Amino acid sequence: AQSVTQLGSHVSVSEGALVLLRCNYSSSVPPYLFWYVQYPNQGLQLLLKYTSAATLVKGINGFEAEFKKSETSFHLTKPSAHMSDAAEYFCAVSSGPGGYQKVTFGTGTKLQVIP
Amino acid sequence: EAGVTQFPSHSVIEKGQTVTLRCDPISGHDNLYWYRRVMGKEIKFLLHFVKESKQDESGMPNNRFLAERTGGTYSTLKVQPAELEDSGVYFCASSQDSLNYGYTFGSGTRLTVV
Repeated sequence: AQSVTQLGSHVSVSEGALVLLRCNYSSSVPPYLFWYVQYPNQGLQLLLKYTSAATLVKGINGFEAEFKKSETSFHLTKPSAHMSDAAEYFCAVSSGPGGYQKVTFGTGTKLQVIP
Repeated sequence: EAGVTQFPSHSVIEKGQTVTLRCDPISGHDNLYWYRRVMGKEIKFLLHFVKESKQDESGMPNNRFLAERTGGTYSTLKVQPAELEDSGVYFCASSQDSLNYGYTFGSGTRLTVV
């Protein structure tokens, strides 16, 4: 069984401030972890993924996430928020590689960037 | 490369009616998934096709939902008869290998049952 908990359904940050979106996971097997972003009226776009290689994963648009097994966390960060980062972010977990494992998503966090 | 295409983008139907959602995956992607997000909740898995075969349909809520994938190409998701609780955004995704490439999602179909 696997699950994801995203803390905070809404997060507001000022432009230029640090972005921190929290994600904790539960998995009975070594997890594969993902962050997706959804901009208004668009589909989900993969930001980054952890696949048991480096624990610090860098993604697109300056985002990165760190896998911490001891804390079962995979928080998403960006040093300096930009207005264009305003979107909804989803943390997700999968039980394995390949195209045959379904992905379990969290409830999403809406990021608001204040000018 | 064309992305995953879903239509319609929006659909409003009355309770008891039938609706068919369509998904065109990226050409050559064997894996096709359907997910659903009910307002404010998590995105939930519905089912997974590998080519034309249903690999996993454990997330289908009930027998009012029927998914098909003709010839391993496009897929349809029919809801008959629709109920109020079926309202939400239905996402389709395709992949060859979700590890290396991740899923590619469509923009979704927003279904409203009134």
